[in-house]
Parts: sequence; structure tokens; C-alpha cells
Amino acid sequence: EAQVTQNPRYLITVTGKKLTVTCSQNMNHEYMSWYRQDPGLGLRQIYYSMNVEVTDKGDVPEGYKVSRKEKRNFPLILESPSPNQTSLYFCASSLQGSITEAFFGQGTRLTVV
Amino acid sequence: GEDVEQSLFLSVREGDSSVINCTYTDSSSTYLYWYKQEPGAGLQLLTYIFSNMDMKQDQRLTVLLNKKDKHLSLRIADTQTGDSAIYFCAEMLSDYKLSFGAGTTVTVRA
Repeated sequence: EAQVTQNPRYLITVTGKKLTVTCSQNMNHEYMSWYRQDPGLGLRQIYYSMNVEVTDKGDVPEGYKVSRKEKRNFPLILESPSPNQTSLYFCASSLQGSITEAFFGQGTRLTVV
Repeated sequence: GEDVEQSLFLSVREGDSSVINCTYTDSSSTYLYWYKQEPGAGLQLLTYIFSNMDMKQDQRLTVLLNKKDKHLSLRIADTQTGDSAIYFCAEMLSDYKLSFGAGTTVTVRA
């Protein structure tokens, strides 16, 4: 089954404790991206990757890092989480950027206290 | 700017038509999208329209595009309880980036 898998689905952590949210897709897609969803703001892009070892900043990259060492995986790293990073995070992948259908993961709800 | 705007809430009676409106700002957008988010789930692509089209119909869904006014709408005919969800309008910017609106929460009442 074609899917984008994020882990964990829910996470509560404390300020400053490094965390990683994993994202994996099994569709051999080149393009992957991370979004955060906040009430009244919709989805805002954090980082995206056009292919292995190619990443670029989205609209709200501050406080986040990503890596793309393999085509299928695109982890999101928060080196020192802060309460303003409490949000719902989505990973997405597609064949060529946003021209074709983007497949979204189920989401990771992160709370930073 | 790259703002996509849509109303936040819509309540509709079961069986009626729903119309969700959206305005976008980038006239160079080649594709415009409607995504649906059901509770606890990720986003699912409902339909998209190419910028040289005025209308696209897909079963109960009708998308209208007014490129002059940068206005996009989604009409759902015979709205059902399963249509209750958040609907996001999105435009494709020229650099392989999607810009989303804030989402319209559609509530279908019996």
C-alpha cells in the first residue's frame, strides 16, 4: 500500500530536549516536505527536499533541521524545542514537487512544555 | 505576497449544496488545489484545476476558477455527513511549493 508514515503520532516533550520526527515513504518519490498546521494559519512549509542530499528552507524553517540521506526518509529534527513549536506536523511526498498529487502522512501532534 | 484566503467555517444542511470560496494572490500559479482533511487524518487531494480552465467537474464536485479575480470555489452537490471535514485551498507557486489557505471547516447538519 502506497503511504507516508510518520512517527510518533503524538509526543509531549520538555523545552530544550532534542527530538526527531521520522517520515518514510514507499513510493520512490523524489520530493518530500514538512509542514506545520496551526489553527487559523493553515499549513506552512518548514523544509522541503527535491531529492537525496538536496534540501531547502520553506516559510518557517527557524528552529528545525532536516536531512535526506536516503530517498525514502526525511526526518525532522528539533535540536532545542520550544513551546512555540507546539503544533501538528505533516510530512508529504510527491513525484515532482507539487505538480502531481502530494501524499500526506497522518500527522504528528507535538506538545512542548 | 503568497496569501491564500478562505472563510473559516461553513454549516450546511444534509442534501444541500456547499460552496467554499478561496482567493489567491499569485497570478502565475499554474495549478490550484482543493484538499480535504478528515478528523485525525492527513490531507487528501480532492481535485485540482489547471489555470487555463474555468471549470472542472468531478462527480459531486465542481471547481470554478475566475483567474481575473483570482477566485477559486469548490461546490459540493448533495452534501453528506461524510463531507464534514476541513477543506484547504492551495496554489502551486512557481518554485515547486504549495501555499495553503487556513482551511474551511465544513459542518453538515441533519
